[in-house]
Order: sequence, then C-alpha cells, then structure tokens
Amino acid sequence: EPEVTQTPSHQVTQMGQEVILRCVPISNHLYFYWYRQILGQKVEFLVSFYNNEISEKSEIFDDQFSVERPDGSNFTLKIRSTKLEDSAMYFCASRTGGGYYEQYFGPGTRLTVT
Amino acid sequence: KNQVEQSPQSLIILEGKNCTLQCNYTVSPFSNLRWYKQDTGRGPVSLTIMTFSENTKSNGRYTATLDADTKQSSLHITASQLSDSASYICVVSDRGSTLGRLYFGRGTQLTVWP
Repeated sequence: EPEVTQTPSHQVTQMGQEVILRCVPISNHLYFYWYRQILGQKVEFLVSFYNNEISEKSEIFDDQFSVERPDGSNFTLKIRSTKLEDSAMYFCASRTGGGYYEQYFGPGTRLTVT
Repeated sequence: KNQVEQSPQSLIILEGKNCTLQCNYTVSPFSNLRWYKQDTGRGPVSLTIMTFSENTKSNGRYTATLDADTKQSSLHITASQLSDSASYICVVSDRGSTLGRLYFGRGTQLTVWP
C-alpha cells in the first residue's frame, strides 16, 4: 500500500541553523500539507500546498518557514533560522482530492533544536 | 475561534471492555469530522470521516457518531484489545479554507491493560 515517507526520522540542530525536512507524498496525490506537534500538545496546521503554490498558511508559518516541491516527487519544509521553540514533531500529509478526501500522514520527523 | 475539545484526557480500561470517547467542536463552517488513531511517535491514521448528514459510521470495532446540531461526536470502541492503546484524536475540517484545513483536538490517551 502506498504511503507518505519522511526523512530524516530525527534531526538535531543548533539554534540559528537552517534545516530542511523532506517528504515524499503518495504519487498520485495533488494536495500537500505540513503539520507540527510540540511534545504533549495538539497537532497544528502549518501550510497547505497545491498546484505548486501555497494555498493557505497558519499564523505559525512565518517568514522563517518555506515550502517547495522541487522535482515533482519531493515536498520540503525549510526553516531558515531555527529557534528552540521549533523543536517538535513535523508531519507531512497528502491527499488526492478535495475537502472530504482522506489525508494520509507520514511518520514524522522529530526536530530537536539545541 | 475554531476549536476542538476532547474528553477524557486519558482513559484506562481492561482488555475486552468497551469505551466511549467524546468530542465537542466550534469549527465553522463545518465540512467533516474525522477520528484518528495516533501511536506514540507515529503519524495519525484515519479511522472514520463523517459529513454533517451522517449520524454514525463504523470501521470494525470503532463506531463514530455525529450530532451536527449540538456539535458533538463520540467514538465507541468495542471489545478493546491491547493494540488499541494509543491517542485518539478528533479532527474537524472547515469549508472556509480552500483545501479544507484540519483542526485537531488534544486527543484522548487510551491505555488497555491485560
């Protein structure tokens, strides 16, 4: 069964460094998402992406964040200058159709900023 | 403000017993409500999706109900198994955003004891 994959599974970085989190969505999916989950807290929406552009972003997704679909298969989340509070689990999700369709989540990347 | 609240926060039951988890939401305009199961350190996995016109939906031992008038939902688990130990998250999608933004509850942490 096709699944969303994410790499790396765990990333440790120093404050102020840039990180890129990578996701490979399910191949025929058209809509892509990033979410984050700070330890012990609820999953929070970051950004949605369709047709090679951002569709919607939350208030969390500030100028330090960017997303890209560089080659038609990968979907990346870049954090330019990491802060301690960026430490969280980051989930990528994708789906094939509109609002009622299932979003499939990847296993997540745990980002630790020291 | 769009919010999803769940109760109880945590629950311990014995293997073979039934349980019911609750969800209240204020998300508007409402599109659909989902229940996800999230194992520790993993991405959420969908159990059910319901639109406003659906009162109940089952997936094996999981049965979800929805009352769109009172904005409440429940997830009933029958004949619990040890593998049911996980966080169960109520997620509501709105119609106001382009790609159906998801709002997550904090989850109910279910522990099934032998």
